[in-house]
Amino acid sequence: EDQVTQSPEALRLQEGESSSLNCSYTVSGLRGLFWYRQDPGKGPEFLFTLYSAGEEKEKERLKATLTKKESFLHITAPKPEDSATYLCAVRRKRGSTLGRLYFGRGTQLTVWP
Amino acid sequence: DVKVTQSSRYLVKRTGEKVFLECVQDMDHENMFWYRQDPGLGLRLIYFSYDVKMKEKGDIPEGYSVSREKKERFSLILESASTNQTSMYLCASSRQIYNEQFFGPGTRLTVL
Repeated sequence: EDQVTQSPEALRLQEGESSSLNCSYTVSGLRGLFWYRQDPGKGPEFLFTLYSAGEEKEKERLKATLTKKESFLHITAPKPEDSATYLCAVRRKRGSTLGRLYFGRGTQLTVWP
Repeated sequence: DVKVTQSSRYLVKRTGEKVFLECVQDMDHENMFWYRQDPGLGLRLIYFSYDVKMKEKGDIPEGYSVSREKKERFSLILESASTNQTSMYLCASSRQIYNEQFFGPGTRLTVL
């Protein structure tokens, strides 16, 4: 079963049009939620880690927030260079495979001028 | 900066060939991971390693094996390549099990 669901699958924004990407998760006992950016043909690039509900992290035009059920990646006044696939992943607090991440399928963001 | 390198960006092999994918990290990380990424399926974990000479199966280990003889190097082996192993292969590493993972650039493998 899916433990991490990202929505929407694809998002097209005009430059400057702010929006949010959603990552909902169903793991019991969260030990970190991670956001990555991936450009076509390249490996994912780490953006943020969030550990507890209410936590927020910011980097340039990106801001990640966390609740007990989901995380949002807010993009403020995006530029074309923000176009990429954004991946969300979670880590469980308990279990035999503590180190592994469970990834969502990503949101493909396109920002047009 | 953490650097994870992979031996090839693009690789073309024939069905039945033995294929080696190499991954090296330069930050003394304890943990290393191999994923494959396919359209519509996302990232799937093949194998991971918490320490030298240790390995754990991920979600899709069938048809693959791994080797970690040195801390910085984690190899993925396709014993007998098949066309359904055509994919993007991504290596990652993390300092400790609760830290973020850093990814390499990926190897696009095509099996003909």
